[in-house]
Amino acid sequence: GQQVMQIPQYQHVQEGEDFTTYCNSSTTLSNIQWYKQRPGGHPVFLIQLVKSGEVKKQKRLTFQFGEAKKNSSLHITATQTTDVGTYFCAGSNSGYALNFGKGTSLLVTP
Amino acid sequence: NAGVTQTPKFRILKIGQSMTLQCTQDMNHNYMYWYRQDPGMGLKLIYYSVGAGITDKGEVPNGYNVSRSTTEDFPLRLELAAPSQTSVYFCASSYEAGGRDTQYFGPGTRLTVL
Repeated sequence: GQQVMQIPQYQHVQEGEDFTTYCNSSTTLSNIQWYKQRPGGHPVFLIQLVKSGEVKKQKRLTFQFGEAKKNSSLHITATQTTDVGTYFCAGSNSGYALNFGKGTSLLVTP
Repeated sequence: NAGVTQTPKFRILKIGQSMTLQCTQDMNHNYMYWYRQDPGMGLKLIYYSVGAGITDKGEVPNGYNVSRSTTEDFPLRLELAAPSQTSVYFCASSYEAGGRDTQYFGPGTRLTVL
């Protein structure tokens, strides 16, 4: 079945540093979604990418979908303490289900 | 709108006990999902439903059952609790099929089986 791998598992940065998490699928995806989960909270939708090579920005967050639609990345510029949490990618093959990666836990030290 | 609500928030069960995790959404979403999340792991799909009366298995359905008698409610039943079912359970819903649409998650139920 479809596997979605995410790296790194953990990242600890100083506030102001940049952060990137990568997501790779074993199969071509129809779309990919990104979610953020704060400690003790529930996943919250950030964005969906659909087109090959798509790049979307949300303030300091930049999301990319690879040309082959098998990989994606999330880049945060100048991290803040409010960025702390676990970031999940979730891929779909147009089915009912999303396949979630294991997530990247981000810790930001002031 | 309350969105997706789940009860209880926390529960401790003894091995062999049964319980039902409740999930309700007020967004008139057709699609609903149950996930479990173990420490350091992503979310694994247990069951999903594409509408009232229609349910199907996800990746890890063993030990669980679901029903969907109304659009709003999607309870998850654990019949004979085992320590391996210690986890955080999230219910989610979406307007369109989960692969193509935003999933809205409930706050979760933290279950411990001793």
